[in-house]
Amino acid sequence: NAGVMQNPRHLVRRRGQEARLRCSPVKGHSHVYWYRQLPEEGLKFMVYLQKENIIDESGMPKERFSAEFPKEGPSILRIQQVVRGDSAAYFCASSPKESTDTQYFGPGTRLTVL
Amino acid sequence: GESVGLHLPTLSVQEGDNSIINCAYSNSASDYFIWYKQESGKGPQFIIDIRSNMDKRQGQRVTVLLNKTVKHLSLQIAATQPGDSAVYFCAENKGTYKYIFGTGTRLKVLA
Repeated sequence: NAGVMQNPRHLVRRRGQEARLRCSPVKGHSHVYWYRQLPEEGLKFMVYLQKENIIDESGMPKERFSAEFPKEGPSILRIQQVVRGDSAAYFCASSPKESTDTQYFGPGTRLTVL
Repeated sequence: GESVGLHLPTLSVQEGDNSIINCAYSNSASDYFIWYKQESGKGPQFIIDIRSNMDKRQGQRVTVLLNKTVKHLSLQIAATQPGDSAVYFCAENKGTYKYIFGTGTRLKVLA
């Protein structure tokens, strides 16, 4: 029962470095969503991708953040030149198709920027 | 504006008692709702969902009630167990891929 997988589970970076977060969706799911969660807060939508396409990146900062979901391999959320404010838990979810289909979440990557 | 919020940020219940976690939403166009459970250090786990054409849905030890008149959603957990201790989120969907999540209610089960 392979659910959504994310790695690494914990990532520590110094200010100015790059963070690369990976997400493998549930087998057969072609829709991936990334969320950010600050401590004691709810999940905030960042980006929605389908294979090789970014459908909606309205929740993702315009600078330093990028996401991809290639034809082969996991989805990647990349944060360049990290700052302390980027410290958060980043969750990936997947669904078989969009709209009101249930999204299933991975365990998250906890990013700490020193 | 649209929002999904929770009445109680922390709920403490005795083991074996029933728990009720509440959620208010402001957008009457929302037609799908999910309750997620998030344990410390883990990702949100789907518990139960309900569509707007229903008032009540039952799962194993959990029941979700939807009151569209007052835009209120609740999660009832029967015979609460220590393993139920977690943060519970409601999420709202208006027929798109974008869910709006509440900040969550922390459920503490007292032995």
